[in-house]
Amino acid sequence: GENVEQHPSTLSVQEGDSAVIKCTYSDSASNYFPWYKQELGKGPQLIIDIRSNVGEKKDQRIAVTLNKTAKHFSLHITETQPEDSAVYFCAAKKVGRRALTFGSGTRLQVQP
Amino acid sequence: SQTIHQWPATLVQPVGSPLSLECTVEGTSNPNLYWYRQAAGRGLQLLFYSVGIGQISSEVPQNLSASRPQDRQFILSSKKLLLSDSGFYLCAWSVKEFPSSYNEQFFGPGTRLTVL
Repeated sequence: GENVEQHPSTLSVQEGDSAVIKCTYSDSASNYFPWYKQELGKGPQLIIDIRSNVGEKKDQRIAVTLNKTAKHFSLHITETQPEDSAVYFCAAKKVGRRALTFGSGTRLQVQP
Repeated sequence: SQTIHQWPATLVQPVGSPLSLECTVEGTSNPNLYWYRQAAGRGLQLLFYSVGIGQISSEVPQNLSASRPQDRQFILSSKKLLLSDSGFYLCAWSVKEFPSSYNEQFFGPGTRLTVL
């Protein structure tokens, strides 16, 4: 089955710096890659996703890149703010499979 | 707009007691529904998913069961809780857009279960 690895497990940056979280997946048939943000005690919220027919997608301060050849995708957050502090999860899914396979999460802390 | 509800928000239960967690979705019809468990500091593990009333698929063997008595209601149950059942339980839904695979999943607020 699909396996998703996520790095780093923790990330601390200064306010205003950029943060990058990386994930790799094992199943080359996967074609949908969402990113979720989970604040303490709450359910994950979808923040951005990318489909296999594009290599990059941006939404204001966040962007996701996908390298299908290398089977990895990354989340980029620019101009980080304290409210970006949370746990971020990547996930992957392939055609015909209903469920997402999640990475283990990255705890991002933005220092003011 | 669509909303997803879970209750209770927190629950403390003794080992061997029964469990019933409920999830309901508003603002959509015939959704796919999912139960995930998140252990402390870990990722999300899919437990069950349902594509319709009475249709349940289990992803991992365990002490839990799921039921879908109504279109927008999903219940997670156990007859006898184990210590290892402690965790954060999340319900999610997605629209049914077959054969598309791009069905974004939206999560509820979760239930934190502690088994003592």
